[in-house]
Amino acid sequence: DAGVTQSPTHLIKTRGQHVTLRCSPISGHKSVSWYQQVLGQGPQFIFQYYEKEERGRGNFPDRFSARQFPNYSSELNVNALLLGDSALYLCASSDNIRDRGLYGYTFGSGTRLTVV
Amino acid sequence: GNSVTQMEGPVTLSEEAFLTINCTYTATGYPSLFWYVQYPGEGLQLLLKATKADDKGSNKGFEATYRKETTSFHLEKGSVQVSDSAVYFCALSDWGTGNQFYFGTGTSLTVIP
Repeated sequence: DAGVTQSPTHLIKTRGQHVTLRCSPISGHKSVSWYQQVLGQGPQFIFQYYEKEERGRGNFPDRFSARQFPNYSSELNVNALLLGDSALYLCASSDNIRDRGLYGYTFGSGTRLTVV
Repeated sequence: GNSVTQMEGPVTLSEEAFLTINCTYTATGYPSLFWYVQYPGEGLQLLLKATKADDKGSNKGFEATYRKETTSFHLEKGSVQVSDSAVYFCALSDWGTGNQFYFGTGTSLTVIP
């Protein structure tokens, strides 16, 4: 079985541009969450989606948005990129929003975004 | 609120040495506690978990016990190997206060032969 897959693996963008990151959860998993990991720090929660609905939002500006599709894959969009948005963006999936509390998430390898 | 505090790194140990990485937490509810490991260039892998007080999580020789009285979840391993070199993150999930994980800042471990 494939794990959580993210694309692209690396990305370089210019300040002010827009970026879309993609995530495919483990087959059968309906919950997808996004985290931002700045170099040298722990991951910070951005969004959680379950059954195509937003179920949680972290303390990030409105430039960050996300959505989940009928096949449970997800996109994270960031507008008007800033240098400070440079980070590893991690996607995580779980069976449902209750299980993640008991069994933890399965994380993808992330997308490394560099804003220049 | 919820938060996790980990010991500062980096930690450098010789092979077969004993490892302890301290983790303490603050939570408003009844959290589940986790240790994740991140190898260079990779995402996070779940190492072990504990869902209630006095539970001991264990995996691959690593152990951590959920101590409610000291709000701690310290990671231990009796004999580390070079392949254990990675960054270790302590995390909590508090089902009652939202759908997110709270991570510590991570502790980098290097094991030398």
